[in-house]
Amino acid sequence: GAVVSQHPSRVICKSGTSVKIECRSLDFQATTMFWYRQFPKKSLMLMATSNEGSKATYEQGVEKDKFLINHASLTLSTLTVTSAHPEDSSFYICSARERGRAETQYFGPGTRLLVL
Amino acid sequence: GQSLEQPSEVTAVEGAIVQINCTYQTSGFYGLSWYQQHDGGAPTFLSYNALDGLEETGRFSSFLSRSDSYGYLLLQELQMKDSASYFCAVITGTALIFGKGTTLSVSS
Repeated sequence: GAVVSQHPSRVICKSGTSVKIECRSLDFQATTMFWYRQFPKKSLMLMATSNEGSKATYEQGVEKDKFLINHASLTLSTLTVTSAHPEDSSFYICSARERGRAETQYFGPGTRLLVL
Repeated sequence: GQSLEQPSEVTAVEGAIVQINCTYQTSGFYGLSWYQQHDGGAPTFLSYNALDGLEETGRFSSFLSRSDSYGYLLLQELQMKDSASYFCAVITGTALIFGKGTTLSVSS
């Protein structure tokens, strides 16, 4: 089956630093990748949709200058949390969708970010 | 606005049958998916309905009624390992919009 990896799985950083999270589709080409944020016991909140080679589309209320998304290739998307603050601490999950398979998204294992 | 409603919690015993309902109101609809998420893990895909009717996959079945903007996930022969959160999600064409999730607790 399709596999999506995320790196790192867990990161602790100081307030004010930037953190980059990578999302890779390992055995398929992901024309579209999605970034979600999830708080404990809460639902997944879509942050942005990224298509390979174009700018990401951000959901309302998500600061594009705060959460930089780059979808450089058909197998890699990155999310950079810039100047992280404690309120950015969360579980960040990416997902990827294969070309022509709109109904199924494959999720990465998630990245747990803790900003001190 | 876009909204999906599902019960927040459901409890059941091993071997029982549980139905988790989902009603939705979204701009754009291509289909309804169901995902399972264990604590600390990522969501895993369970099922997808694009057309009205019942889809069966082993112990899990999913139903959709587009005219009623309603669907459900049916879990049969419950096992302890089925304890998890279950999310319905609408495919709007560009993205998945998730419901708030239903926490299922299965006891022996």
